[in-house]
Amino acid sequence: AQSVTQLGSHVSVSEGALVLLRCNYSSSVPPYLFWYVQYPNQGLQLLLKYTSAATLVKGINGFEAEFKKSETSFHLTKPSAHMSDAAEYFCAVSDLAGSQGNLIFGKGTKLSVKP
Amino acid sequence: EAGVVQSPRYKIIEKKQPVAFWCNPISGHNTLYWYLQNLGQGPELLIRYENEEAVDDSQLPKDRFSAERLKGVDSTLKIQPAELGDSAVYLCASSAGGKNNEQFFGPGTRLTVL
Repeated sequence: AQSVTQLGSHVSVSEGALVLLRCNYSSSVPPYLFWYVQYPNQGLQLLLKYTSAATLVKGINGFEAEFKKSETSFHLTKPSAHMSDAAEYFCAVSDLAGSQGNLIFGKGTKLSVKP
Repeated sequence: EAGVVQSPRYKIIEKKQPVAFWCNPISGHNTLYWYLQNLGQGPELLIRYENEEAVDDSQLPKDRFSAERLKGVDSTLKIQPAELGDSAVYLCASSAGGKNNEQFFGPGTRLTVL
């Protein structure tokens, strides 16, 4: 069975600093991996996805993530945080790679950005 | 293009009352999902539809929860009777299908059971 672990329920950075949100996955098959962002009182929005192509995936709003099979990780990074990045971020794995699998989400990491 | 539409956005009811949530997916999306999101947690799948067929309802508490997608477009999720522990956000998502499984989420319905 697939699972996702997000290390750190709350991360705080200063504006302009590096953002690093950690995600480790467990999967018995090659995974499809996703990062979603959720702003207050809104639904989830896809930031980026890994679908077995390039291991470094670039997403919207300057975010990127690198798939590292040896570390079973898919950490999300952004070189310079903006105030508008403050939100909750969810890592997810699809339980049936290559099919219309269900998404299994981590518990989320709330990102705060200090001025 | 309109996104996934959900209504109501907020609902407050007393325990033991029934409640229903409505979802209209993105036009042309055959796959529809209902998720439950508890406070401080990630979404958890309740049910997945392919057109009008519920292909995965293994996580739906069938004693009190029901769902339908009669014409393969809109969907309704119902709880009867509601319990205090049902207070959460109910998210609907839709997908066009295919290998990438990109799901588009609605804003959710925040349910408070008193």
